[in-house]
Formats: sequence, structure tokens, C-alpha cells
Amino acid sequence: AQKITQTQPGMFVQEKEAVTLDCTYDTSDPSYGLFWYKQPSSGEMIFLIYQGSYDQQNATEGRYSLNFQKARKSANLVISASQLGDSAMYFCAMREGRDGNKLVFGAGTILRVKS
Amino acid sequence: DSGVTQTPKHLITATGQRVTLRCSPRSGDLSVYWYQQSLDQGLQFLIQYYNGEERAKGNILERFSAQQFPDLHSELNLSSLELGDSALYFCASSVGSGGPSGANVLTFGAGSRLTVL
Repeated sequence: AQKITQTQPGMFVQEKEAVTLDCTYDTSDPSYGLFWYKQPSSGEMIFLIYQGSYDQQNATEGRYSLNFQKARKSANLVISASQLGDSAMYFCAMREGRDGNKLVFGAGTILRVKS
Repeated sequence: DSGVTQTPKHLITATGQRVTLRCSPRSGDLSVYWYQQSLDQGLQFLIQYYNGEERAKGNILERFSAQQFPDLHSELNLSSLELGDSALYFCASSVGSGGPSGANVLTFGAGSRLTVL
């Protein structure tokens, strides 16, 4: 079974607007962490934001915020005030407590920011 | 610059050959992880070392092997290469050995792109 599902293969957003990238996950472990990474066309993987399963508040890092809905098992990434440099592939990933060494990635969403 | 150094950046070789990919983790990080990114499989976890010892194994083929040396750098050896091994190979490092905590965020290198002809 898919552990991480990213249902949007590609998204477009107008510069300066907000965009939400979807991520749902599947785990029976009460202890887990959710991560978002950005992969620009140059290829490197850049860490954006982290949410722990026991965190009471949604994580925020600058223009990035994570809309964490535990009951729905979703961890959507919200990018506010999109910039052209945000155009990239975005990956959602999960690390479970019982298999704490393995970070499992979703298939990714390509985001294109239009000027 | 993430602080994780991978060499070579690009590698082109023929089927049946053997290659070695090298990774130096970020200063202070004890764990090294290897991931393979291909178009059909996405990002797949291969193997993890923590302070010189193998800690976790993922979808790593028997033709592949890795090790972490006392200075904490790691090498991924790929042998009897096949066309399907063409991929981007990432090394990542973290301070700790694992767990879901945000304290163990993986920092990735720029990757080594392997092309098997």
C-alpha cells in the first residue's frame, strides 16, 4: 500500500498567489514525522518543513506552512506569495517511529509559477 | 551548498561495469543514507549507515553494496551494471540514527547522475 500519496502530478500558480500541494499518508504508528522537500531543476533536494505527529500546532517556515489534519491523514503544503523561484518538484515524505530510519517519499508534484 | 558532498556529479559507463559513488556527510552528522531516484521508481531508500555500522536496509539490490568509513564518508558500489540502474543517486546525512523527530532531518547532497549505456 502507498504510504505517501501526492495526487497532483502538476500544478500551476500565478506569481504572488498562494498554492496548496496535497499530501495524504498511511500509517498505523502513532509516532511519525512528515517532511516536505523541494527539488528544483538543478536536481538537489532541499528540506522545507517538518511536522511531527504529536505537534499541536501546524508547522510554519517563512512562506511555507503545513496544513496538518491528523484525522484525515493529510499534510498539505501551503506556499504563500508564490515566486518564480518556487517552480520545482515538491516531495512529501514520512518517517515512522517503528521504522525510524527510512524516509518514504511520495511521487511528487511539479509546481510551475507563472508571471 | 548543503554541506553534503557527492562525487562524481555525472558518470557514464557501460553495462556490466562497476562504479563507486562517494559521499562526505555534513560536519557533525553521523548517519549517511543512500537513495536512488529514477523516473519509474521515484525516490527509493537504499541503505543507511550510522557511525560506521549498517542501520537500515531498503530496496538495495545484491549487486549494490555500501560502507561507511571511520572518517564517516561513505561509498556506494554498484556492480554488473544494467541499463535500469541509470538514475540519480543521492546521499543524505543526519545527526542522529533515525526516528520520526524533526531533529533528524535529512540533508541531501546534489546527487550523482549515473548513465549506463
